[in-house]
Amino acid sequence: GENVEQHPSTLSVQEGDSAVIKCTYSDSASNYFPWYKQELGKRPQLIIDIRSNVGEKKDQRIAVTLNKTAKHFSLHITETQPEDSAVYFCAATSPGRRALTFGSGTRLQVQP
Amino acid sequence: GAVVSQHPSWVICKSGTSVKIECRSLDFQATTMFWYRQFPKQSLMLMATSNEGSKATYEQGVEKDKFLINHASLTLSTLTVTSAHPEDSSFYICSASGTLRLNTGELFFGEGSRLTVL
Repeated sequence: GENVEQHPSTLSVQEGDSAVIKCTYSDSASNYFPWYKQELGKRPQLIIDIRSNVGEKKDQRIAVTLNKTAKHFSLHITETQPEDSAVYFCAATSPGRRALTFGSGTRLQVQP
Repeated sequence: GAVVSQHPSWVICKSGTSVKIECRSLDFQATTMFWYRQFPKQSLMLMATSNEGSKATYEQGVEKDKFLINHASLTLSTLTVTSAHPEDSSFYICSASGTLRLNTGELFFGEGSRLTVL
């Protein structure tokens, strides 16, 4: 089955700096890679996603890149703000599996 | 996006009792629902895949007789934790995929249910 690894597990940045979270996946059939933000006790919220036919996608301060050959994808947050502090999860799925396989999560702390 | 509602949001029960959690898709038909479990400071782990009108498919290591899943309609799936024990205390989250989105991977999550077993 799919295995998704995520690094780092914790990340602390100063407000205004950039944050990068990286994930690798094992199943070459995976074609959908969403990123979720989860605040304590809340449901995961989709913040951006990318499909395997695209190498990069950007939405304001958030961008995701995908390298299919290396089977890794990354989340980039620029101009970080204290409200960006949360746990971020990457995930992957394939048409055959349908369910998402999540990475282990990254706790991002943005220091004001 | 589509709305998925989960109930109850939190429940406290005594060891040995059973607890039922409901997951409803409010504005779309969910042919497939997924049940995840999340322990404190850990990731979401898939427990089972629920397909409307058929038996659920459980992930390895998840006891089907302990975690009963029923998906009797296109808008409702239920998870019943039978004979709950303290180690079952966790955050249970459902997610749903609609007919039109089944093959795109997009999922919509319920609010989650925090179960505490005393």
